[in-house]
Amino acid sequence: AQSVSQHNHHVILSEAASLELGCNYSYGGTVNLFWYVQYPGQHLQLLLKYFSGDPLVKGIKGFEAEFIKSKFSFNLRKPSVQWSDTAEYFCAVDNSGYALNFGKGTSLLVTP
Amino acid sequence: DAGVIQSPRHEVTEMGQEVTLRCKPISGHDYLFWYRQTMMRGLELLIYFNNNVPIDDSGMPEDRFSAKMPNASFSTLKIQPSEPRDSAVYFCASTSRRGGYTFGSGTRLTVV
Repeated sequence: AQSVSQHNHHVILSEAASLELGCNYSYGGTVNLFWYVQYPGQHLQLLLKYFSGDPLVKGIKGFEAEFIKSKFSFNLRKPSVQWSDTAEYFCAVDNSGYALNFGKGTSLLVTP
Repeated sequence: DAGVIQSPRHEVTEMGQEVTLRCKPISGHDYLFWYRQTMMRGLELLIYFNNNVPIDDSGMPEDRFSAKMPNASFSTLKIQPSEPRDSAVYFCASTSRRGGYTFGSGTRLTVV
């Protein structure tokens, strides 16, 4: 079955630590890939997206993600997290049109 | 642009009652999506519309759920009768192209 897997459900980091959140998908063919962020009590917002071209994608707030086709992965990274990055992060895949399928999310807590 | 507008923000209802959630997409967006978010299941796509026509409703959990889009600027998601297991945050999102959605702020539904 087609799915999006996020390996880490909960991540706790200290400020200035580096972040990498894993995302794997099981869709065949061409895919578009997304990372969304949901701050506490808020709606989802788009962090970055990949359609084609350079597999290293830069998004807002210093986030980036790398598409590795051979590994079916689209991991999210940030070199140095801040307390304000505390949020839930969702990976999503679109391969058959406009509907997005989301992973279950990773909850990130950044401690001072 | 005011973004995707959902109402109400919070709804508390008794089991067995009818619940109607409302969504106004961004003007010009021809795709509209309804998602449900729970801790256990994450974000689930319930149904989506293109040009007011339902395209895929395979995510609608059962016949108690129905959705309509009578025009390009309004959609409803109705649950009748509601049950405690329907408690969740329901998000509406819209888009006009592949490339990521704009989400509404969600409706937090509690069925007691």
